[in-house]
Amino acid sequence: NAGVTQTPKFQVLKTGQSMTLQCAQDMNHEYMSWYRQDPGMGLRLIHYSVGAGITDQGEVPNGYNVSRSTTEDFPLRLLSAAPSQTSVYFCASMAISGSGGSPLHFGNGTRLTVT
Amino acid sequence: DQQVKQNSPSLSVQEGRISILNCDYTNSMFDYFLWYKKYPAEGPTFLISISSIKDKNEDGRFTVFLNKSAKHLSLHIVPSQPGDSAVYFCAARSGGSNYKLTFGKGTLLTVNP
Repeated sequence: NAGVTQTPKFQVLKTGQSMTLQCAQDMNHEYMSWYRQDPGMGLRLIHYSVGAGITDQGEVPNGYNVSRSTTEDFPLRLLSAAPSQTSVYFCASMAISGSGGSPLHFGNGTRLTVT
Repeated sequence: DQQVKQNSPSLSVQEGRISILNCDYTNSMFDYFLWYKKYPAEGPTFLISISSIKDKNEDGRFTVFLNKSAKHLSLHIVPSQPGDSAVYFCAARSGGSNYKLTFGKGTLLTVNP
């Protein structure tokens, strides 16, 4: 059981380049989300999705796009990379239950450096 | 506005002693709280959770206490082990169809042998 898989593990971009961070889960979870972790800032929500075809913005969405065409995949696109987007990015998924009492399952992260 | 606060960036304890990690929240709509542990170069892993209808939840060496009136929760680890050394994140979610999880900034726990 792979859980949440993120690729690549590391990436270096130049300012202005675009790229897509991949995220896939094999647990049939309806909910998927992207967080970024920065020193002293904790985990901040970028975008999330409650099912295929449904996405919404989190706390820090600017500069990022997402789409959810399948239950399994939730890619994060950086349209024009900026040094401020240097961070560690985590994808997470969760089963949606009536009580809301399910934990998020995280991938191992993508470390992105923008020069 | 930080809705989930972990005011201690770091905590150091001796092996075998109790570790107490604290978390405060401001949003009274939060009704489900979780603790995550994170090792370097890995994703956060779920540790323990508590619903707002409870004031205590225990799982082995880990116990989470919730004080709703004070909007405060704490994670107790007894006895602490060197392998518990990690960053611990407190997180909270409001009810209904809001599945977004809000995290604190984390506390680095170091357990010394």
